[in-house]
Amino acid sequence: DIVLTQSPDSLAVSLGERATINCKSSQSVLYSSNYKNYLAWYQQKPGQPPKLLIYWASTRESGVPDRFSGSGSGTDFTLTISSLQAEDVAVYYCQQYFSTHTWTFGQGTKVEIK
Amino acid sequence: QVQLVQSGADVKKPGASVKVSCKASGYTFTRHYIHWVRQAPGQGLEWMGIINPSDGYTSYAQKFQGRVTMTRDTSTSTVYMELRSLRSEDTAVYYCSMVQGVTFDYWGQGTLVTVSS
Repeated sequence: DIVLTQSPDSLAVSLGERATINCKSSQSVLYSSNYKNYLAWYQQKPGQPPKLLIYWASTRESGVPDRFSGSGSGTDFTLTISSLQAEDVAVYYCQQYFSTHTWTFGQGTKVEIK
Repeated sequence: QVQLVQSGADVKKPGASVKVSCKASGYTFTRHYIHWVRQAPGQGLEWMGIINPSDGYTSYAQKFQGRVTMTRDTSTSTVYMELRSLRSEDTAVYYCSMVQGVTFDYWGQGTLVTVSS
């Protein structure tokens, strides 16, 4: 199975500052036939199911604020929150859908306000 | 609108089995795969497996092979996840999620399963 390792496990950022979360895959999730990275990012707040933020590594889901962005390719990916807002306090997960019918999540990164 | 409504919370003893249901509405049931994901208290998300409601095809995470079965009832647009030989580590919120394209687009409300003697 593909293993996704996120870093850091948690981070505290001041309001208005940048938050950066990394996700490293044990093997490439870049599909050579279409040059797409099969990686998504989710946000989860307490008591709620996850919410999709980013797919294809860098495509923002409709309705997601543009302060959220995704980048990277192959095995190394980043989720950036350009200007942290109070409502962004949550746990963030990367997830791969490269392996047909065997999907995995990273362990999660908790984002808090400093 | 798409809705996934799961069965209510359940308490089981170690060694027992649990069956969680997920009733879909607001779309053509047989058109989209449904996944099961669980989350232990204070822990991360864990993918368990997938079912194709159209033909019943399933694929399970290696960790659950032999202990989990996912089924569907097309007459009621419901999918089921049964987990056997429960142990305390299986205490978690279990979610069903529908995938329209390649991502988890819609989620059930979650079902808390508590395993305790």
